[in-house]
Amino acid sequence: KQEVTQIPAALSVPEGENLVLNCSFTDSAIYNLQWFRQDPGKGLTSLLLIQSSQREQTSGRLNASLDKSSGRSTLYIAASQPGDSATYLCAFGGSQGNLIFGKGTKLSVKP
Amino acid sequence: GAVVSQHPSWVICKSGTSVKIECRSLDFQATTMFWYRQFPKQSLMLMATSNEGSKATYEQGVEKDKFLINHASLTLSTLTVTSAHPEDSSFYICSAIGRDQETQYFGPGTRLLVL
Repeated sequence: KQEVTQIPAALSVPEGENLVLNCSFTDSAIYNLQWFRQDPGKGLTSLLLIQSSQREQTSGRLNASLDKSSGRSTLYIAASQPGDSATYLCAFGGSQGNLIFGKGTKLSVKP
Repeated sequence: GAVVSQHPSWVICKSGTSVKIECRSLDFQATTMFWYRQFPKQSLMLMATSNEGSKATYEQGVEKDKFLINHASLTLSTLTVTSAHPEDSSFYICSAIGRDQETQYFGPGTRLLVL
């Protein structure tokens, strides 16, 4: 059974710091890996999608990497801002279109 | 933990017909439900947000007259794809959050194929 684990569960940093969120999965038969942002009471916002054939994707201050052999993905956020405060979810995408989510990392960026 | 179900899990229909997808929260009251769509090789995208008893809020680019959402009770939301076309073929996922407005629970998804 596929499991997706996110570490840490919560993270509090001062504004301006660079930070890394971790995601690990147990099944190497991955189709894609997605990172999402969730604000309280809101739907998910897609941040980055990495296909199984790719190693990383970048969007602005965000960079996500994928290492299938070790079953890991990281989300790097550069120069964090208070507006980055949210819960970040990674999701393992299977070949059937199914998504298995981690429990998320709750990020708080202090001004 | 909380469970969200979707029905059907698979549907194949002819172009021009309408398809209804149900999303149910089985053991909690969902004050808010979300509908997402995922095309092959693309990311999951939010289509609309529905709150029980009120009109759904649609994301930019999503046609509200084509994707009818009804959130008639605290445990049921339906998405009707009207006059479906082959380009509507996609994976549709719903999710629900309870009164704590924190944890979002996802349904297993519905794969729609329009011929």
